[in-house]
Amino acid sequence: GAVVSQHPSWVICKSGTSVKIECRSLDFQATTMFWYRQFPKQSLMLMATSNEGSKATYEQGVEKDKFLINHASLTLSTLTVTSAHPEDSSFYICSARGEWGRVAYNEQFFGPGTRLTVL
Amino acid sequence: KNEVEQSPQNLTAQEGEFITINCSYSVGISALHWLQQHPGGGIVSLFMLSSGKKKHGRLIATINIQEKHSSLHITASHPRDSAVYICAVDFGNEKLTFGTGTRLTIIP
Repeated sequence: GAVVSQHPSWVICKSGTSVKIECRSLDFQATTMFWYRQFPKQSLMLMATSNEGSKATYEQGVEKDKFLINHASLTLSTLTVTSAHPEDSSFYICSARGEWGRVAYNEQFFGPGTRLTVL
Repeated sequence: KNEVEQSPQNLTAQEGEFITINCSYSVGISALHWLQQHPGGGIVSLFMLSSGKKKHGRLIATINIQEKHSSLHITASHPRDSAVYICAVDFGNEKLTFGTGTRLTIIP
């Protein structure tokens, strides 16, 4: 199957700093990428949908100025948590959807996740 | 309202047992996904289906569109199958709505 990577896999930062998380599709072109967050023992919550070359669409309640998303190429999307605070500590997961060979258009492939801890 | 319900929430079984996890949804869908999340957090997509049945190794996924219900089966379960299994549904808006997950523990 198609591979999606995330970097870093974990990060610890001080309150007030910004953290950038990268999501890459390694062997296919991702026309759409999704960003999720997951709190302990809870399900994934969609934060935003990112299409290459256009502005991200944010879900209700997600601050677009706090969670900056850039999808500059068909293989890379970045999520920047600006001025991070302890309540932003969470597990952030991206997924990518695209069309490439055997990859069905509607199928999503998930990254391994990034665990963010804000002190 | 687009809703996804999974059952059971927790399931503990002996190695070798046949496992069934259920997923029900509220309205018509374009696709249903079964995902596996291991303790480290990484998510693996097991199946995407919109009708019928799919099989991969010891895993089988079925979906009944009329009854709005899907099942994930694991045959000859093994401790390495221990994980959280998540049903996620695309209700036609290309976004996924997730069930709360089923925590499966297989005891040797």
